Amino acid sequence: DSGVTQTPKHLITATGQRVTLRCSPRSGDLSVYWYQQSLDQGLQFLIQYYNGEERAKGNILERFSAQQFPDLHSELNLSSLELGDSALYFCASSVEGRVNSPLHFGNGTRLTVT
Amino acid sequence: EDKVVQSPLSLVVHEGDTVTLNCSYEVTNFRSLLWYKQEKKAPTFLFMLTSSGIEKKSGRLSSILDKKELFSILNITATQTGDSAVYLCAPMGQGNLIFGKGTKLSVKP
Repeated sequence: DSGVTQTPKHLITATGQRVTLRCSPRSGDLSVYWYQQSLDQGLQFLIQYYNGEERAKGNILERFSAQQFPDLHSELNLSSLELGDSALYFCASSVEGRVNSPLHFGNGTRLTVT
Repeated sequence: EDKVVQSPLSLVVHEGDTVTLNCSYEVTNFRSLLWYKQEKKAPTFLFMLTSSGIEKKSGRLSSILDKKELFSILNITATQTGDSAVYLCAPMGQGNLIFGKGTKLSVKP
């Protein structure tokens, strides 16, 4: 168990809907990262927060947004969902914001858009 | 553009065999390279490499980094069925990890 908690484990929703994925980092970790894993793309970096502030942005769509709250948990909001958004969404956390600190991953939220 | 290439994409071996997994990378502002093992769910951390030529070992697994030639290898000796997984290489660039597509290792009894 990595200590990173993600909820829900599974989510099934329809196209056009909006969902929120939640992540609680390991105790003491200040950085939270969101990754998307689909079958053909591998793990793609979406966004990183460090101590409540956005630190880095990857290939995150405009329909997606995230935030990190004062208690350090993070939420990833996905709106106007499309079939292609179906994927496994991972949250990871690390102690430091930038360098030489391994990321520890949660078990992911499997999103199915029908 | 940052690039990570892992080879082979898949590998089938028998218990007791030794395997070598390869990772080559081109990453802006390279800082370190991490290896992860992914079974059904979360990638689990194996190694972080920051210096060239220094081997890191954990039981039957070992890894080394060559920062001049921009590659890393992961060795697994005396493989077991429990080693069956996807092994992911991830250099750290501009503060986040860039993942390769992974090597799927299947170990047959």
